Amino acid sequence: DSGVTQTPKHLITATGQRVTLRCSPRSGDLSVYWYQQSLDQGLQFLIQYYNGEERAKGNILERFSAQQFPDLHSELNLSSLELGDSALYFCASSVGARETQYFGPGTRLLVL
Amino acid sequence: AQSVTQPDIHITVSEGASLELRCNYSYGATPYLFWYVQSPGQGLQLLLKYFSGDTLVQGIKGFEAEFKRSQSSFNLRKPSVHWSDAAEYFCAVVQGAQKLVFGQGTRLTINP
Repeated sequence: DSGVTQTPKHLITATGQRVTLRCSPRSGDLSVYWYQQSLDQGLQFLIQYYNGEERAKGNILERFSAQQFPDLHSELNLSSLELGDSALYFCASSVGARETQYFGPGTRLLVL
Repeated sequence: AQSVTQPDIHITVSEGASLELRCNYSYGATPYLFWYVQSPGQGLQLLLKYFSGDTLVQGIKGFEAEFKRSQSSFNLRKPSVHWSDAAEYFCAVVQGAQKLVFGQGTRLTINP
């Protein structure tokens, strides 16, 4: 158990819908990262927050957004969902930059 | 930009045999390197990491990896594999101060 929690574990929804994925980092970690894992793209970095502020963006679609709250938990919002958004979404956390990232169990999203 | 290559998509070894998973990276300075393992339906678990210092690093579950700057490699080894080692293994490098860049992964199958 890494100490990073993600909810829900599974999510099934329809195209065009909007979903919110939630992540709670390890106690004491200020950085939260979101990654997408799909069969064709592999593991891709989406976005990073540090102590409530966005720090880095990867290949995150404009339909996707995230935020980190004062209690340091983070949410990833996916809207106007498409079939191709079906993937495993991981959250990771670390104490700071260039520190070891610890991953949560992931949220498996299926868009039908 | 940094990149990571895992040349072997799938490796099969017999239980009790030795294992070496290859990882090559592309990075100008001294890289921060990681190996993660993903069991079916699970999240990513950190096996070991290299930041600096001794080029042979020990990890959990009996794994070790050797950083070779001259070969731009960070290969993962285990002297004797167990059936529970069947999983997908990912090599990763930190890019900038934020994201992890992952290799494509190597799926390990263990023959009884």
